[in-house]
Amino acid sequence: SYELTQPPSVSVSPGQTASIICSGYKLGEKYACWYQQKPGQSPVLVIYEDAKRPSGIPERFSGSNSGNTATLTISGTQAMDEADYYCQAWDSSTANVVFGGGTKLTVL
Amino acid sequence: EVQLVESGGGLVQPGGSLRLSCAVSGFIFSNYAMNWVRQAPGKGLEWVSYISSSSSTTYFADSVKGRFTISRDNAKNSLYLQMNSLRDEDTAVYYCGRGITGAPDSDAFDIWGQGTTVTVSS
Repeated sequence: SYELTQPPSVSVSPGQTASIICSGYKLGEKYACWYQQKPGQSPVLVIYEDAKRPSGIPERFSGSNSGNTATLTISGTQAMDEADYYCQAWDSSTANVVFGGGTKLTVL
Repeated sequence: EVQLVESGGGLVQPGGSLRLSCAVSGFIFSNYAMNWVRQAPGKGLEWVSYISSSSSTTYFADSVKGRFTISRDNAKNSLYLQMNSLRDEDTAVYYCGRGITGAPDSDAFDIWGQGTTVTVSS
């Protein structure tokens, strides 16, 4: 089955750029999206179709996808961005949506 | 206001059944594919099932295939998940999510409900 791999944790200083990667075989040939989830809350879509931002998502969130890696970049990271982030893609061979294991972003 | 509200969760014994519902408001439900996603306590997100806008296409995670059924009633603006032969590992918060593109290979879930908790335990 298709797997998406994320680092368990990433740390960033306030105001700096955070990059969270998601790795999967030929992921660049699929669409990737990203969710933010804060404790006790439902997930929020922050990037879809690799690089599109839904309405209401700040411009500091951006995405890219190439080769075997999709990347979520948060520029000028703020304390409010501290959360778990999940990548997601579609595995056409099994007709399944696949999520990465999640990355805990700490802003310190 | 666009809103998804799940209900139907609860405590059930292994081997039992539950039917989850997701009531939709604030958008034209019949225009959107829908999904169920679950999250076990302290764990990550796990996709469960997809249904197209017209109900013509459904997909299931291997972990629930043959045990869960997804359906929708566009006239009632409601999505359902029938869960049979429940196992301990089905214990999770279950979310319904709206598909933003409708096409499975590019879809993402732009609106989520607050979730309903399913606990499978004897």
